[in-house]
Amino acid sequence: KQEVTQIPAALSVPEGENLVLNCSFTDSAIYNLQWFRQDPGKGLTSLLLIQSSQREQTSGRLNASLDKSSGRSTLYIAASQPGDSATYLCAVPNTNAGKSTFGDGTTLTVKP
Amino acid sequence: SQTIHQWPATLVQPVGSPLSLECTVEGTSNPNLYWYRQAAGRGLQLLFYSVGIGQISSEVPQNLSASRPQDRQFILSSKKLLLSDSGFYLCAWDRGYGYTFGSGTRLTVV
Repeated sequence: KQEVTQIPAALSVPEGENLVLNCSFTDSAIYNLQWFRQDPGKGLTSLLLIQSSQREQTSGRLNASLDKSSGRSTLYIAASQPGDSATYLCAVPNTNAGKSTFGDGTTLTVKP
Repeated sequence: SQTIHQWPATLVQPVGSPLSLECTVEGTSNPNLYWYRQAAGRGLQLLFYSVGIGQISSEVPQNLSASRPQDRQFILSSKKLLLSDSGFYLCAWDRGYGYTFGSGTRLTVV
C-alpha cells in the first residue's frame, strides 16, 4: 500500500527566502506525481505534474523534482512571498483505477 | 477547457436530515470521479470513486453513498446525517494526467 509523507508539517520563513518542501513515497512504481496548493477553506489547485520519465518541472518560481529510485520529490519555491502562504500537498497515483494517495501537506507561512 | 463545478459552497444541516452534494465536469468524457472529505486540520480521505456510469467504489464504510447517473455527474448523498459527517467535501476528476479538484463544500451538521 502506497504511503506518502510530507515533512515538515508546518514551516515559517521570512519573505524572500528560498525554501524546499519534501514529499516521500514508499512505492516507487508511480507514473506521475502531482503537487497542489490549498488556501484555507478552498479546494486544491494543481501546481505541477511530473511524469515518471521526467526529473523535474518548472512553473515560474516553482520547481518540482522527482527521484523515483529514492521515493522522493521536492518542491522548491524561490524568493518566497506572503502570497505563497498556503498548504502544499503532494499526491501519487496508485495502480488501481487511478486513485491517488495524498500526503497530509506542509503548511507554509511566509512572513512579511 | 475542462471545468469542474461543485455546489453548494456551504451547507448547514441538522442531524438526521438528508444530504445531496452534486459535482459536474465539463469539457471531458469518461473521467474518473472522486469524492474526498477533509476534516479540519487533517488530510484528504477518499470516500468514493467511479470509473464509469453506475460504477461506484466505496473506500470507507459509513452512512454516505455516491451515485453517478451520468458520465460527468457525481452525487454524494446521505439519508440521515451524523455530527461526524461535518467536514469539507471535495470532488475531483482525472483521466490519468493528474487530478483537478472542485472548490469544495463546507458541511456543518448541527
